[in-house]
Amino acid sequence: GNSVTQMEGPVTLSEEAFLTINCTYTATGYPSLFWYVQYPGEGLQLLLKATKADDKGSNKGFEATYRKETTSFHLEKGSVQVSDSAVYFCALTSDSNYQLIWGAGTKLIIKP
Amino acid sequence: EAQVTQNPRYLITVTGKKLTVTCSQNMNHEYMSWYRQDPGLGLRQIYYSMNVEVTDKGDVPEGYKVSRKEKRNFPLILESPSPNQTSLYFCASSPGTGVSGELFFGEGSRLTVL
Repeated sequence: GNSVTQMEGPVTLSEEAFLTINCTYTATGYPSLFWYVQYPGEGLQLLLKATKADDKGSNKGFEATYRKETTSFHLEKGSVQVSDSAVYFCALTSDSNYQLIWGAGTKLIIKP
Repeated sequence: EAQVTQNPRYLITVTGKKLTVTCSQNMNHEYMSWYRQDPGLGLRQIYYSMNVEVTDKGDVPEGYKVSRKEKRNFPLILESPSPNQTSLYFCASSPGTGVSGELFFGEGSRLTVL
């Protein structure tokens, strides 16, 4: 079945540093890929998504490209801020499209 | 305001005392789902519903029940809670019958079973 592996955290960076959070997947068919973000004390919210190979999702300065050849969907941001501190989850649709398969989450800590 | 509302937000209870966590959405979404979040395990799906009167098991349904009698409500029932059900629970909804669109999450319900 489909599965997601994302890098373990916490990831600690200084403000204005470049961010990469790795996400790789295994899947049959053509799943949609997502990044969700969870700020402290809140529920998850969609950050960006991509529905087919070579699509680039972007939002709030974050980007991720759907790479079928490397089965990856790495999250990047050129210059992080303290307000980006959160837990980031990579996810993909299951074969049935009724479920999302979730990574374990990566906690990001940005220091001023 | 479009939202998913869960109640209670915090609850401490004892083993075996039945409880219900309510979930309501005001966006007319077909799809609703319950997750639990535990440290190091990410999100695990408990049950989901594609529409009224249509529900199915997720990855960890044991010890839980759900019902979907109305489109807006999707309560999670713990008939006989046990300490291993201590967790942070999230309800989510999505337009359409699947998850290829955006999932909208509630703020979470932190449950402690003693």
